[in-house]
Amino acid sequence: GAVVSQHPSWVICKSGTSVKIECRSLDFQATTMFWYRQFPKQSLMLMATSNEGSKATYEQGVEKDKFLINHASLTLSTLTVTSAHPEDSSFYICSASGQYVNSPLHFGNGTRLTVT
Amino acid sequence: AQTVTQSQPEMSVQEAETVTLSCTYDTSESDYYLFWYKQPPSRQMILVIRQEAYKQQNATENRFSVNFQKAAKSFSLKISDSQLGDAAMYFCAYRSDSNYQLIWGAGTKLIIKP
Repeated sequence: GAVVSQHPSWVICKSGTSVKIECRSLDFQATTMFWYRQFPKQSLMLMATSNEGSKATYEQGVEKDKFLINHASLTLSTLTVTSAHPEDSSFYICSASGQYVNSPLHFGNGTRLTVT
Repeated sequence: AQTVTQSQPEMSVQEAETVTLSCTYDTSESDYYLFWYKQPPSRQMILVIRQEAYKQQNATENRFSVNFQKAAKSFSLKISDSQLGDAAMYFCAYRSDSNYQLIWGAGTKLIIKP
């Protein structure tokens, strides 16, 4: 089946530094990718939607200058948390969809970010 | 705007028995998709079952089946012969026919008692 690889699975960084999270579709072309944030014991919160070759669409309340999303190819999207602070510590998950709106969504394994 | 409601924060069931998780949704659209996802402690999101709104027949996947009531906007998940590996958070999700975005419920934590 289709696989989405998300890397790293966990990362610890110091406050003020930037962290990049990669999301790759391994065996299909991901026209659209979604980035989610999940707080403990809560549901997934959509941060942004990215389409290959165009600017990401951010959800209300999500700082686009802090959470930089790049979807430069049909197999790779990246989320960069800039100038990270402890409150950015969270679980981040990407998902990818194929060309058609009824294409299934495939999820990465998630990234646990801890900012010290 | 579409919404998805899971009214059971937590459910528990004895191993080998059957449990039903509830999900209701609100939409004005006629064509859409409904999903149940499982998130075990590993945090990996796993698709359990999917239902197309235009299909009257309820979807089934081995021990998992749904009761899709379109008029009532209800989409419950039945797990038969519960196993310890079924313990997880279960999320109900809605997807429009015209939009890739998933609308998520709050989740139900399922506990399996040995």
